[in-house]
Order: sequence, then C-alpha cells, then structure tokens
Amino acid sequence: GAVVSQHPSWVICKSGTSVKIECRSLDFQATTMFWYRQFPKQSLMLMATSNEGSKATYEQGVEKDKFLINHASLTLSTLTVTSAHPEDSSFYICSARDLSGDPYEQYFGPGTRLTVT
Amino acid sequence: QKEVEQNSGPLSVPEGAIASLNCTYSDRGSQSFFWYRQYSGKSPELIMSIYSNGDKEDGRFTAQLNKASQYVSLLIRDSQPSDSATYLCAVNPGGADGLTFGKGTHLIIQP
Repeated sequence: GAVVSQHPSWVICKSGTSVKIECRSLDFQATTMFWYRQFPKQSLMLMATSNEGSKATYEQGVEKDKFLINHASLTLSTLTVTSAHPEDSSFYICSARDLSGDPYEQYFGPGTRLTVT
Repeated sequence: QKEVEQNSGPLSVPEGAIASLNCTYSDRGSQSFFWYRQYSGKSPELIMSIYSNGDKEDGRFTAQLNKASQYVSLLIRDSQPSDSATYLCAVNPGGADGLTFGKGTHLIIQP
C-alpha cells in the first residue's frame, strides 16, 4: 500500500516553455500532497504543500506564479513549471500521506528529473 | 532557521557490522522524526518513523530518539552491501506538515 506515482519520470524542455508534472496516490486518498526539489548532491527542499480543493501553501523563496500547483482531486496533484529556465533543472519529487495508516508518514513518488536546455 | 544536521560521510562499515547514523535538529517543537534511504538517482524510501523518546526496532533497524538532546539516530545491524546508500534524517518542525531534511549521510558497506 501507500504507493505514489509521478509522470513523467524525466523530461527535457527548452528554456521559456512550461512543463507539467503529475503526482498520483494509487491506492489511497491524499488530501495533502507535498512537492520537494532536490539539486545534485543536495538534500530535499520542501517547495509547497498542496491541499485538495484549496490553494497551495508555498515555502519562503518559492515563486508561486512560477510553480503552479493544482490539487483537483483526492488522488492527483500537478506541478507546472512555467517559463522554465536552466536553473530550474532539478529532481522534483512529490509525497503524500496515507491517513488510513500512520498519519505522519510521507511516501514519496519516484521523482521527475527536469532538464531545461 | 529550522535545521537538521547530519555528518555527510562517507561512513564506511564492514559487512555484518553495525552502522550508526546520527542526526540533530534545532526546533524543539518537532514532534515527528523519520529516516529515509535514498539510492543514487532515486527518490527517498521510508525506513523508520519515531515519535517518542527511546528506541524503536523494526527488523535490522533501530531508531533512537532523545528529545532533550534534540538527537535522533539510526542503527543498522548485520549491515549488507545493499544497505549502501544515502540516509536522510527528516523532521516535522513544530506546526508544520512538510518535512525538513538533513543533507544525508553516505553509507558504504564494505563486503
């Protein structure tokens, strides 16, 4: 149980274009999902908390107009990187909690590696 | 700034020995503590969660928490080469839902 998927697993895009990343909870409902970013040889940094049916909460320093988050259903959250630039190249990972189990544990998706050329 | 500190390593341990990984955190209001394992190029995998002072055991893994010292540790018994990975300590700072991660300790199990 508690399986989280992401799509795509990797994407290459040109500078100035937008990219959408999907995060799905496959066997549970997730009212809250989280988006993290990991640069090479660094740890995960929380970008935003995605709440089903309401606006996302962004961490300090994360541009909400650049990283658009939509959590339209209990099993799907999307992150859109708008007008991507090379410095946005990173490993984007989502996580979710399965409230039917331990309500504090977060399970991570496999991640999406974004390369902006 | 709410911080989680780990020794980056690498920590080299012979196969079959006990690997000991340590973590300290700055926010005294933190209530939930986690250890994740991350293989190169992959996303983190949850190993252990711990919420109360003391020890919690799960198979070859034991997590230890000391809130007074703001210290969390992970022991891996009978270390195997497949345990070679980066181990991330993560904390829920008080009042927050998202996790704050340490930079991770790179563990190498030598056959």
